[in-house]
Amino acid sequence: QQQVKQSPQSLIVQKGGISIINCAYENTAFDYFPWYQQFPGKGPALLIAIRPDVSEKKEGRFTISFNKSAKQFSLHIMDSQPGDSATYFCAASGRGSTLGRLYFGRGTQLTVWP
Amino acid sequence: EAQVTQNPRYLITVTGKKLTVTCSQNMNHEYMSWYRQDPGLGLRQIYYSMNVEVTDKGDVPEGYKVSRKEKRNFPLILESPSPNQTSLYFCASSLSLPRAGELFFGEGSRLTVL
Repeated sequence: QQQVKQSPQSLIVQKGGISIINCAYENTAFDYFPWYQQFPGKGPALLIAIRPDVSEKKEGRFTISFNKSAKQFSLHIMDSQPGDSATYFCAASGRGSTLGRLYFGRGTQLTVWP
Repeated sequence: EAQVTQNPRYLITVTGKKLTVTCSQNMNHEYMSWYRQDPGLGLRQIYYSMNVEVTDKGDVPEGYKVSRKEKRNFPLILESPSPNQTSLYFCASSLSLPRAGELFFGEGSRLTVL
């Protein structure tokens, strides 16, 4: 059973546009929602993370929006750049049976055209 | 330089020939984990360790073994590799539990089992 569902699988955006990637979860034990960015040939690296006590977190051009009641969260990349072309993974971790676990979505391959 | 080091980075082997993928971190992290990455399936957790001598199964532990005898090392052992274990493997570590903060990834080990 997939703990975190991510969409779309791939995304093509023009330079300067907004990229939006969505994730959903069911397990209410989750209380930490990071996004990881992966470039070809490299390991994933933390991009930005949010906890459910806030509905939005912004770091530069990257924003996480979090909807606790809908159990959904999304990554928005403003003014997308060719250098943002990478695979993005949402993830979730939490308490109880999820302690020690970090569950990843299946990833979104983002391509930003110049 | 703070890092997670995996070896080998690339390996081609044959069915049934035991192999070990080593993982070492120099950040004094308590938590370590192994993931496999397959196209369209994202990152799936194999095993994790919350401290020395403490290991637990992830989502796909079948066919793998791990040990955590020292804090810095967390080797992944394939006792009798099979072609369905052909994958890209990542070792990761964090200071504490995943829900507490950033997971640092190695650069990956690409394994092919013929």
